[in-house]
Amino acid sequence: DAGVIQSPRHEVTEMGQEVTLRCKPISGHDYLFWYRQTMMRGLELLIYFNNNVPIDDSGMPEDRFSAKMPNASFSTLKIQPSEPRDSAVYFCASSTSRGDTEAFFGQGTRLTVV
Amino acid sequence: QQPVQSPQAVILREGEDAVINCSSSKALYSVHWYRQKHGEAPVFLMILLKGGEQKGHDKISASFNEKKQQSSLYLTASQLSYSGTYFCGTVTVPGGGADGLTFGKGTHLIIQP
Repeated sequence: DAGVIQSPRHEVTEMGQEVTLRCKPISGHDYLFWYRQTMMRGLELLIYFNNNVPIDDSGMPEDRFSAKMPNASFSTLKIQPSEPRDSAVYFCASSTSRGDTEAFFGQGTRLTVV
Repeated sequence: QQPVQSPQAVILREGEDAVINCSSSKALYSVHWYRQKHGEAPVFLMILLKGGEQKGHDKISASFNEKKQQSSLYLTASQLSYSGTYFCGTVTVPGGGADGLTFGKGTHLIIQP
């Protein structure tokens, strides 16, 4: 398996624009997690899905953030409108369980909002 | 709620030992440890499940005290390759909430020759 695949790897956008980050989990993994990483906050859990259903979105910072998982092989994280403080590295990870097994991380998307 | 890691940063000479601590305010089901190199994704080291076990992985081992809701990562005879940021991730007990794998802010480890 190719592992967790995220796209794009880098994104530079202007404040106010819509940004969509994409993730393809490892086949057979029922859990998908979205994280945001900054120097100040470390790795923050934004939302996670189980069998394509959002289970806990309490980490989503604002209504400007939304996430979907239309099928088992694809998820998106959307920011609309984007702001400079959204600049961070966004990671997607997948796993076969909520906490018994390893979570595999994608390479991340570095988002810069100018 | 994020687990709390300490220390925030450690600088060692090659061959020295280090301990990184992780604590949570919630009852834990499991503790995960990951290492991240600059510009890369976090890489899995080990999982400790509820039961107070200890695990080892070469010269890196960890313990989990579920009563105290704490875990420690031990790095012995550190090597240059151990440099990076170490994250503990916690998962709460089933029934204690739907919390997903939640990470601390990380401990930066620098190994000098």
